[in-house]
Amino acid sequence: EAQVTQNPRYLITVTGKKLTVTCSQNMNHEYMSWYRQDPGLGLRQIYYSMNVEVTDKGDVPEGYKVSRKEKRNFPLILESPSPNQTSLYFCASSPLTPGQGIGRKNTEAFFGQGTRLTVV
Amino acid sequence: AQSVAQPEDQVNVAEGNPLTVKCTYSVSGNPYLFWYVQYPNRGLQFLLKYITGDNLVKGSYGFEAEFNKSQTSFHLKKPSALVSDSALYFCAVRPPGYSTLTFGKGTMLLVSP
Repeated sequence: EAQVTQNPRYLITVTGKKLTVTCSQNMNHEYMSWYRQDPGLGLRQIYYSMNVEVTDKGDVPEGYKVSRKEKRNFPLILESPSPNQTSLYFCASSPLTPGQGIGRKNTEAFFGQGTRLTVV
Repeated sequence: AQSVAQPEDQVNVAEGNPLTVKCTYSVSGNPYLFWYVQYPNRGLQFLLKYITGDNLVKGSYGFEAEFNKSQTSFHLKKPSALVSDSALYFCAVRPPGYSTLTFGKGTMLLVSP
């Protein structure tokens, strides 16, 4: 079954204690990304990766790190979590979109089940 | 830069009535457009997409969406709402040649019995 798996689903931690949220996909997708979801703000992209060892900042990267050592995995790292990082986090993967005008049958992103993080 | 607007925070509809969840977008070129649904304590599930071709796109669970290029809109519709359709709906746009999705803020759909 095609899926994106995030762990853990729920996490409560204290300010400053480093944590990692894992994300793994089994669809051989090149593109992976992390979003945070906050009430009234929708989903905002934190980081994305277009392939192994290729990562870039999204709209809200401050306080986060990522790595892409393998194609299937894209962990999100919070080196020193703060309360304003309390949020619902989603990992997503999709095929890499080719140039304009070239249609691809499967272009939608697949999302993990989410990780609800609370930083106290 | 691309953007997506969902002008309604919440839409209320009675079961059996038609529903519309609105979405407008701003992007250069011909975008890919998507609708996702989020049920409580669940991830985002793909509903439907517009890439090219017919302006009326049919998706999962009886939903459809109409792409209107002149109005830059991609409204989500369903002829007859079900209580089980109650969820948070997100519209998203992907500019041509890019893989990054930009989401709207979401619209909560509440279907009453």
